[in-house]
Amino acid sequence: QVQLVQSGSELKKPGASVKISCKASGYTFSNYALNWVRQAPGQGLEWMGWINTNTGIPTYAPVFTGRFVLSLDSSITTAYLHINTLRADDTAIYYCAREPPGGSNWFDPWGQGTLVTVSS
Amino acid sequence: DIVMTQFPDSLAVSLGERATIDCKSSQGVFHSSTNRNYLAWYQQKPGQPPKLLIYWASTRQLGVPDRFSGSGSGTDFTLTIRSLQAEDVALYYCQQYYASPITFGQGTRLEIK
Repeated sequence: QVQLVQSGSELKKPGASVKISCKASGYTFSNYALNWVRQAPGQGLEWMGWINTNTGIPTYAPVFTGRFVLSLDSSITTAYLHINTLRADDTAIYYCAREPPGGSNWFDPWGQGTLVTVSS
Repeated sequence: DIVMTQFPDSLAVSLGERATIDCKSSQGVFHSSTNRNYLAWYQQKPGQPPKLLIYWASTRQLGVPDRFSGSGSGTDFTLTIRSLQAEDVALYYCQQYYASPITFGQGTRLEIK
């Protein structure tokens, strides 16, 4: 079945970096773009951007330019979210989510989420 | 950015009764070239990722019970849960995918009365 499995929780200090993985299985990886969504504790959903799994080209929401990098390793059907210079307000659950072909950006399924805690 | 606003923020409904959640976008999300509204609904239970319920404003995702339905067009949309079940207790979010950046409503918490 279609599955997105993310890496485990991370505890980082301010200023450090983190790399979260999203392993896809059960479908042809290059046919479906992958999106990333952030959910701060007790808060709503924020779309971070998406990556074209055919070309590897990422697109970022304006709020998430600069410290956030989306990448792929298509050989292992895995997408990555790299966050540099972590701040306390980066503490959140980060989800990857698949969108259907054709640019219709609803998301299904979602990964289980990766909790990143930034604390000194 | 398109701002999505949900009403109410929280809602308590008796088991077996109807629950309705409204979502309003700051600009229209209907695309005349495709004749579709670019609006989705998600359900999120505690400790779980969001689950897609509805896309194109009214198309139910495979496997979603038919007591869930979506309606509306343009800027005003509604998620209706006919005959509320205990397992429907969750947060519900609307999302527009008409324009980038994709944006979500703030969420509506649905509880049992």
